[in-house]
Amino acid sequence: ETGVTQTPRHLVMGMTNKKSLKCEQHLGHNAMYWYKQSAKKPLELMFVYNFKEQTENNSVPSRFSPECPNSSHLFLHLHTLQPEDSALYLCASSPSRRPRYGYTFGSGTRLTVV
Amino acid sequence: AQSVTQLDSHVSVSEGTPVLLRCNYSSSYSPSLFWYVQHPNKGLQLLLKYTSAATLVKGINGFEAEFKKSETSFHLTKPSAHMSDAAEYFCVVSDPNTGNQFYFGTGTSLTVIP
Repeated sequence: ETGVTQTPRHLVMGMTNKKSLKCEQHLGHNAMYWYKQSAKKPLELMFVYNFKEQTENNSVPSRFSPECPNSSHLFLHLHTLQPEDSALYLCASSPSRRPRYGYTFGSGTRLTVV
Repeated sequence: AQSVTQLDSHVSVSEGTPVLLRCNYSSSYSPSLFWYVQHPNKGLQLLLKYTSAATLVKGINGFEAEFKKSETSFHLTKPSAHMSDAAEYFCVVSDPNTGNQFYFGTGTSLTVIP
């Protein structure tokens, strides 16, 4: 285990469902991230939180709604998704927002939208 | 602008032979460079990183990479491949001066033949 835990590992949801992805880290990191990994595409940064505040939203559709109640937890709320949203969603954390430290990734949630 | 190019989408080697995974980057500033590995159904694990110290960087599992500014390259090598090295490898570039996001390559899939 890397220290970043994501649940659930797999999720199948219909286009009208509402579900949430959870990410938790107890590494003492202050920055947390959501990435989308689709087949044959580079990883896409979705959201960045630093000290619980959202600092980046990379033009993500509003059907994805992040929440960061504290520096240890990050959620991604999903509603009315499309089949093209099927992907591996990765959470990551870092000690600070400076990249020289590198990121610690979770194992991801494999999402399938039917 | 920054970008990273992984020159091979797939590399196949025999067990016990050397591994070379190629990565070129473009950056306006002195970059930070990383290699991550992703095993099936797992998150990304940091292999090694270059952050303006020694140009030859040693990582985990016997991997190393050399930063060559004149060639804008950061190729990943290992003297002798092991079956457990079969995975997806990602080269990542970031600009430490502005604290911007990571830029991921599209990945290289490494197959190790027994």
